[in-house]
Amino acid sequence: GAGVSQTPSNKVTEKGKYVELRCDPISGHTALYWYRQSLGQGPEFLIYFQGTGAADDSGLPNDRFFAVRPEGSVSTLKIQRTERGDSAVYLCASSFQGGSPYEQYFGPGTRLTVT
Amino acid sequence: GNSVTQMEGPVTLSEEAFLTINCTYTATGYPSLFWYVQYPGEGLQLLLKATKADDKGSNKGFEATYRKETTSFHLEKGSVQVSDSAVYFCALTALTGGGNKLTFGTGTQLKVEL
Repeated sequence: GAGVSQTPSNKVTEKGKYVELRCDPISGHTALYWYRQSLGQGPEFLIYFQGTGAADDSGLPNDRFFAVRPEGSVSTLKIQRTERGDSAVYLCASSFQGGSPYEQYFGPGTRLTVT
Repeated sequence: GNSVTQMEGPVTLSEEAFLTINCTYTATGYPSLFWYVQYPGEGLQLLLKATKADDKGSNKGFEATYRKETTSFHLEKGSVQVSDSAVYFCALTALTGGGNKLTFGTGTQLKVEL
């Protein structure tokens, strides 16, 4: 079956621009997570959705970052006024439920480069 | 807060050698522990997990035992293959109102040579 998909796979943008990164989770998965992976590091949690609502956004680094999941399926991570320090691979994961240690299935990521 | 520490890489081994990648953690409560693997050009995949003390997770010849007394979850494999070359991440989740967010270590790159 289809896994988690993320688009675009690569995004190059200039400092100060706005970007949107999209995540299509596995059908039926109610929990969706965004992580950010900098070079040579492990993924770091950004935000968690259960259904349409953001249940935990404690990992968002500042108010330039925002994410939505309006219909409880596809999610978009939005970054305003991008900075060079935002360059990283942004990973999306989904799982059947958020409230148990169900396996999280990861997408291939979007590599964001801010020049 | 929660944290995971794992040995730095790269680890370079000959095929059929024994592998150990060390992982220790700090967590509040009773975390579940995971090893994820990232093969070249692919996304993160769950390799194995353990949800309570003394549990042993195993998959594809890899295994790790949840040791609460030493707060460790070391990954082992008796005989590695070239196809095991990848980056391995130790991770934990401590169930909170925030669901199942994972805390990862920095990753250990494994290179297996013929």
